[in-house]
Amino acid sequence: GNSVTQMEGPVTLSEEAFLTINCTYTATGYPSLFWYVQYPGEGLQLLLKATKADDKGSNKGFEATYRKETTSFHLEKGSVQVSDSAVYFCALLGAGGTSYGKLTFGQGTILTVHP
Amino acid sequence: EPEVTQTPSHQVTQMGQEVILRCVPISNHLYFYWYRQILGQKVEFLVSFYNNEISEKSEIFDDQFSVERPDGSNFTLKIRSTKLEDSAMYFCASTALRAGNQPQHFGDGTRLSIL
Repeated sequence: GNSVTQMEGPVTLSEEAFLTINCTYTATGYPSLFWYVQYPGEGLQLLLKATKADDKGSNKGFEATYRKETTSFHLEKGSVQVSDSAVYFCALLGAGGTSYGKLTFGQGTILTVHP
Repeated sequence: EPEVTQTPSHQVTQMGQEVILRCVPISNHLYFYWYRQILGQKVEFLVSFYNNEISEKSEIFDDQFSVERPDGSNFTLKIRSTKLEDSAMYFCASTALRAGNQPQHFGDGTRLSIL
């Protein structure tokens, strides 16, 4: 079946540092890929998405590129802020068979940004 | 921006009791989902629902669980005879289309605590 693996956390950075959170996946067919963010006390919010190979999703300074050759969708931001502190989830939306239409999540990465 | 709303935000229930978690999906959405996240674990798919019937369900979604759309706005998850291991955060999600590139929009979740 489909699976998503994220880098182990937690990640602690100083403000304005560069962020990378690694995400790799295993899937059949051509899934869509997403990053969701969960701020403290809130639900899951869509951060960005990419629906086909080489697509780059971007939002709020975050970027991720759908790399089919390496089955990866790493999240990056050039300069993090304290307000970026949250839990980040990489997710895959199945494209075929019994996986169609249901999200498979990574384990989540806790990001803490210090002033 | 339209939101998925879930009530209650926190539910505490005695083991063996029935519990109903409520969700109001975004009004023009047609596909509805329940996910759960046990503390410290991944967000897991439970069930998807379309046209007043279950589309898919995971192995977790056994006879103890049921879903219903009792009217034009609510989407409920019922857990009969709750067990300690049902303690988790439960997320409702909805989307307008089931197509593989459509993101699912999540509510803030209901934290279910079984005593």
